[in-house]
Amino acid sequence: GEDVEQSLFLSVREGDSSVINCTYTDSSSTYLYWYKQEPGAGLQLLTYIFSNMDMKQDQRLTVLLNKKDKHLSLRIADTQTGDSAIYFCAEKDAGKSTFGDGTTLTVKP
Amino acid sequence: DTEVTQTPKHLVMGMTNKKSLKCEQHMGHRAMYWYKQKAKKPPELMFVYSYEKLSINESVPSRFSPECPNSSLLNLHLHALQPEDSALYLCASSTESSGSYEQYFGPGTRLTVT
Repeated sequence: GEDVEQSLFLSVREGDSSVINCTYTDSSSTYLYWYKQEPGAGLQLLTYIFSNMDMKQDQRLTVLLNKKDKHLSLRIADTQTGDSAIYFCAEKDAGKSTFGDGTTLTVKP
Repeated sequence: DTEVTQTPKHLVMGMTNKKSLKCEQHMGHRAMYWYKQKAKKPPELMFVYSYEKLSINESVPSRFSPECPNSSLLNLHLHALQPEDSALYLCASSTESSGSYEQYFGPGTRLTVT
């Protein structure tokens, strides 16, 4: 079945850039997503990328997709303390989403 | 209005109780979803409704019974649950279940089974 993997933890200093990485196995994935989950809350969609794109930028967020290596990354520029959360990578195929285990981002002042 | 609401926020129930979780959206979305999320884990898909019909059931035990009374409402009926069913239950909706349509998540119901 589909598998999505992420590193579990990332710690950065406020103002630095954060890069969260994700790998997936399903080559038929058409859409790849990044979600943010703050403690006690539901998931918030941050951005998504279609599989025929290499890069997507949205304000402080940059998504890079290497389809050959099945590697997806999310770069957050000028990371703030409010960015501390769990970030989930997800792929979607045939109406079903598969999530990675999530990367806990800690931003230190 | 881009909000998905869920009630109750918290629920404690015994193994012999019957309770229901409710989800509502008024965005005109035709796909609605139930997910289960354990602590520090990703959401696991349980059910997908498309145009008020159940389209995906991820082999969920029958003690969980979904219902979609209309296009804005999604219920999850609970009966004879086990302590391991304690989790955060998330509802989501999207314009349609296929394609790139993003899912909007509710805040979840935190369920504790005693």
